[in-house]
Amino acid sequence: GAVVSQHPSRVICKSGTSVKIECRSLDFQATTMFWYRQFPKKSLMLMATSNEGSKATYEQGVEKDKFLINHASLTLSTLTVTSAHPEDSSFYICSARSPQHQNQPQHFGDGTRLSIL
Amino acid sequence: QKEVEQDPGPLSVPEGAIVSLNCTYSNSAFQYFMWYRQYSRKGPELLMYTYSSGNKEDGRFTAQVDKSSKYISLFIRDSQPSDSATYLCAMSGGTGGFKTIFGAGTRLFVKA
Repeated sequence: GAVVSQHPSRVICKSGTSVKIECRSLDFQATTMFWYRQFPKKSLMLMATSNEGSKATYEQGVEKDKFLINHASLTLSTLTVTSAHPEDSSFYICSARSPQHQNQPQHFGDGTRLSIL
Repeated sequence: QKEVEQDPGPLSVPEGAIVSLNCTYSNSAFQYFMWYRQYSRKGPELLMYTYSSGNKEDGRFTAQVDKSSKYISLFIRDSQPSDSATYLCAMSGGTGGFKTIFGAGTRLFVKA
């Protein structure tokens, strides 16, 4: 069964709206979660690494004020797309990895398809 | 040069064929190798996970790692239409640390 749950799976909203996406690890406590963005027929693009109890680490070119990440507990990380615009429309996917085994593979959520009108 | 190279395809095969998917990489320090399957509009699903060189088999799937050539493969035997998906290779470890590097993904179509 799924070890990472992501919600919602689909969001359609107007330009200027802020959208929150949740990522939960179900079977283990995840001190680190990852947020990816994926364009159609393209691979995963790492946006940021979410660290429980501390600030997220953003990849180069990703606006931290635009994509707010909060990792308030060992099982929940949230990504908020602030004042979303049509160019933010994309497929957003989170993943988590067990902290006891940092070279263990990541497990992914089912993604959130965001459409900004 | 990208750290991980993967042919995006698409690759189209008839049902029952043996499928070979491959990735090459440049960082010789990678030690952990993974294959993920991603269906359309879904998150990637872990298929195979191997450490260092060698083979690993799970049902119809076989993963091979050749560290001397910096080459990894995923073989799918008796391919089924339900295997139609995008397959992503991934790797981590060594001097790359715990960061996972993904290939671009290969789109596979298995025709009935």
